[in-house]
Amino acid sequence: GDSVTQTEGPVTVSESESLIINCTYSATSIAYPNLFWYVRYPGEGLQLLLKVITAGQKGSSRGFEATYNKETTSFHLQKASVQESDSAVYYCALDSNYQLIWGSGTKLIIKP
Amino acid sequence: GGIITQTPKFLIGQEGQKLTLKCQQNFNHDTMYWYRQDSGKGLRLIYYSITENDLQKGDLSEGYDASREKKSSFSLTVTSAQKNEMAVFLCASSIDRGPSQNTLYFGAGTRLSVL
Repeated sequence: GDSVTQTEGPVTVSESESLIINCTYSATSIAYPNLFWYVRYPGEGLQLLLKVITAGQKGSSRGFEATYNKETTSFHLQKASVQESDSAVYYCALDSNYQLIWGSGTKLIIKP
Repeated sequence: GGIITQTPKFLIGQEGQKLTLKCQQNFNHDTMYWYRQDSGKGLRLIYYSITENDLQKGDLSEGYDASREKKSSFSLTVTSAQKNEMAVFLCASSIDRGPSQNTLYFGAGTRLSVL
């Protein structure tokens, strides 16, 4: 079946440093699945951060970017300069026939 | 804006017990979901519902029942709690079916522990 693998956390980054959280997928049911990053901030529910529905395109939100690379089947999340408010758990997911398949989540800790 | 409310926040049960989790949304969304999350793992779909009185099984439906008697509410029943089971159950809703076109909105979760 379809699956998503992402960087195992926790990941600790100093404030104002750059960040990359890796996400790779395996899709057998659809050639180019739609891809998502969701985030859960402390004390809040999961929420959509960004999505890309076209292979080769880039999505961005709140300073984060992710590029859909169909050659490497990857959708890595990047940010040039993190802030303390970015501390959260980040989830990569793909749409497999109207159902989301989720990665295990990556906890991001920002050092002041 | 709207909100999804899950009750209870924490649920402690005994082995073999039937346990019910509740979810209410005021977005007026048609589609609602129940997911289970085990520690260190991704979310897995248990049930979803595309309208009142509709139920669709997810990959993890065995051992669970669900009920959508009203558009705004979706309940999940663990039919027989397993000893030492620990998981977080997440409820979500979206305007319509299809996560690519319809953003999912999540509740804060119910944390289950079985003694």
